[in-house]
Amino acid sequence: AQKVTQAQTEISVVEKEDVTLDCVYETRDTTYYLFWYKQPPSGELVFLIRRNSFDEQNEISGRYSWNFQKSTSSFNFTITASQVVDSAVYFCALSGLNTGGFKTIFGAGTRLFVKA
Amino acid sequence: GAGVSQTPSNKVTEKGKYVELRCDPISGHTALYWYRQSLGQGPEFLIYFQGTGAADDSGLPNDRFFAVRPEGSVSTLKIQRTERGDSAVYLCASSIGGLGQPQHFGDGTRLSIL
Repeated sequence: AQKVTQAQTEISVVEKEDVTLDCVYETRDTTYYLFWYKQPPSGELVFLIRRNSFDEQNEISGRYSWNFQKSTSSFNFTITASQVVDSAVYFCALSGLNTGGFKTIFGAGTRLFVKA
Repeated sequence: GAGVSQTPSNKVTEKGKYVELRCDPISGHTALYWYRQSLGQGPEFLIYFQGTGAADDSGLPNDRFFAVRPEGSVSTLKIQRTERGDSAVYLCASSIGGLGQPQHFGDGTRLSIL
């Protein structure tokens, strides 16, 4: 079975603080994909990043960075110098080729509050 | 617009009624997904279409739920004999291919069963 766990339900930070959102996944597939999506208060989910299981390189995009570690089955997301506009619910998601069919499994999400 | 369009944005109906929710994906996207999102939860997979066929419908909760995509573009999610537990936001997403491709989501249809 596939599973995504986002243990942090809510996080509150003050603007300019760094914040890391945790994601732990379970899968028996050797080929799989991991994603992060952002859901702002307006409601529409927005794709942020995709990683495949064969690429463990970390990635940085502006203030966002992602740390993928297969050894710990984690795909954590860090926002540096957070801003009020980062306030949203963030979802980690997993798609596996063999046991997962074509499903994408989402975690329960982490609600991030960034206070001015 | 160029994004995924879902109609209606809100639907209120009585228990036992039939409802249809429509999704118009991004032009050229062959893959289409339906999800259900309850308050405080992540999207829950319902069904995946590749072209006209349902490649994976393992997430449909029971036989009251059915979805079609007859021409490989617009899709309709149909719910028969609605129950109060069906109340949720129903999300549609499309992508240029199948597994592993980023999905583009619509704004969702908020379904309320009275």
